[in-house]
Amino acid sequence: SQQGEEDPQALSIQEGENATMNCSYKTSINNLQWYRQNSGRGLVHLILIRSNEREKHSGRLRVTLDTSKKSSSLLITASRAADTASYFCATDIDDYKLSFGAGTTVTVRA
Amino acid sequence: DAGVTQSPTHLIKTRGQQVTLRCSPKSGHDTVSWYQQALGQGPQFIFQYYEEEERQRGNFPDRFSGHQFPNYSSELNVNALLLGDSALYLCASSSGVGTQYFGPGTRLLVL
Repeated sequence: SQQGEEDPQALSIQEGENATMNCSYKTSINNLQWYRQNSGRGLVHLILIRSNEREKHSGRLRVTLDTSKKSSSLLITASRAADTASYFCATDIDDYKLSFGAGTTVTVRA
Repeated sequence: DAGVTQSPTHLIKTRGQQVTLRCSPKSGHDTVSWYQQALGQGPQFIFQYYEEEERQRGNFPDRFSGHQFPNYSSELNVNALLLGDSALYLCASSSGVGTQYFGPGTRLLVL
């Protein structure tokens, strides 16, 4: 069974707009990570946020974590065509395996 | 610095056959994890190897087995292939329990 669930399943935005996607999970975690996947290829690591952190930034990415609600959000600002991809949140409830949701598919229209 | 590499990139097999997929970790990484990603789904953890031993295993049958070599590279073997084994197989490497970095994957089609 999957630990995380992303919402929405799909998102279509205009270039330059912001994209926000959410992730909910079920059990306590050590860390939460976001990955990007282009066209069914390998996953690219975007950002890791630890359970004692509330917000983290990396370039045009902003991630928040609310452990009381067991949820996280990923914001991509000023989106570009190259941001078109599937985005996955992954939680690690132990030090070994990552548990992924089904992902959010983002389409950025020119 | 080479990242995680996987071979082959694509593979077609028939039901009942056996397949071996290979992974070379990122330089400096000693831990290799394998994931299966069905179409439209997120990756599912198969198992993780560290110091040539299987450290943890997900909910996959014994038909799925693996190996890690002294140079930290790894193989995933699947016996008695089923149609449902068709998927993208992803290898990820890490240094101990650090961030996992993924390879490009091997797409397996079982006919």
